[in-house]
Amino acid sequence: AQSVTQLGSHVSVSEGALVLLRCNYSSSVPPYLFWYVQYPNQGLQLLLKYTSAATLVKGINGFEAEFKKSETSFHLTKPSAHMSDAAEYFCAVKNFGNEKLTFGTGTRLTIIP
Amino acid sequence: GAGVSQTPSNKVTEKGKYVELRCDPISGHTALYWYRQSLGQGPEFLIYFQGTGAADDSGLPNDRFFAVRPEGSVSTLKIQRTERGDSAVYLCASSLEAGGSETQYFGPGTRLLVL
Repeated sequence: AQSVTQLGSHVSVSEGALVLLRCNYSSSVPPYLFWYVQYPNQGLQLLLKYTSAATLVKGINGFEAEFKKSETSFHLTKPSAHMSDAAEYFCAVKNFGNEKLTFGTGTRLTIIP
Repeated sequence: GAGVSQTPSNKVTEKGKYVELRCDPISGHTALYWYRQSLGQGPEFLIYFQGTGAADDSGLPNDRFFAVRPEGSVSTLKIQRTERGDSAVYLCASSLEAGGSETQYFGPGTRLLVL
């Protein structure tokens, strides 16, 4: 079965520092990959998605992610953290021919002033 | 435009009661999804509709859970004989079409608490 692993349930970075949130998937065929952000008491919002068009994907709010097939990874990065980035981040995968998203357990990002 | 809306935002019920959770998808979206998010976990798939029909209900945990989408727009998730373990946030999402890398747009969720 398809699975998604997010290493680090909690990540803290200083304001202005690099943000790196890790996501690995298990699949013999590269799936579609997504990063969602969830602010407190709000729904999930799409940050970016991998659709096989390009391995480096740019999203909203300055985030980007790189698909690495050899590492089965899709890590999320942002060069300089802002206080407003504090939220929970979820990586999700979807296989061909299957409509459901399979989510990781999430990473809570805290920004230190 | 309006996003996915869900009502109620919060629901408190007693064990054994019946509840209905409503989802209004984005206008024109043909695909609709229900997920359940327990505390500290990522959302878990429950069921997916393409139009009026349930195309995949493999995530429904048991026969106490049922969902409908009679006119291909609004959907209702129904839970019979609620149990404390059903307490979670129930998320609805919609997409323009099903398939491929279509983005699923999520609503704010309904927080269900079973006492």
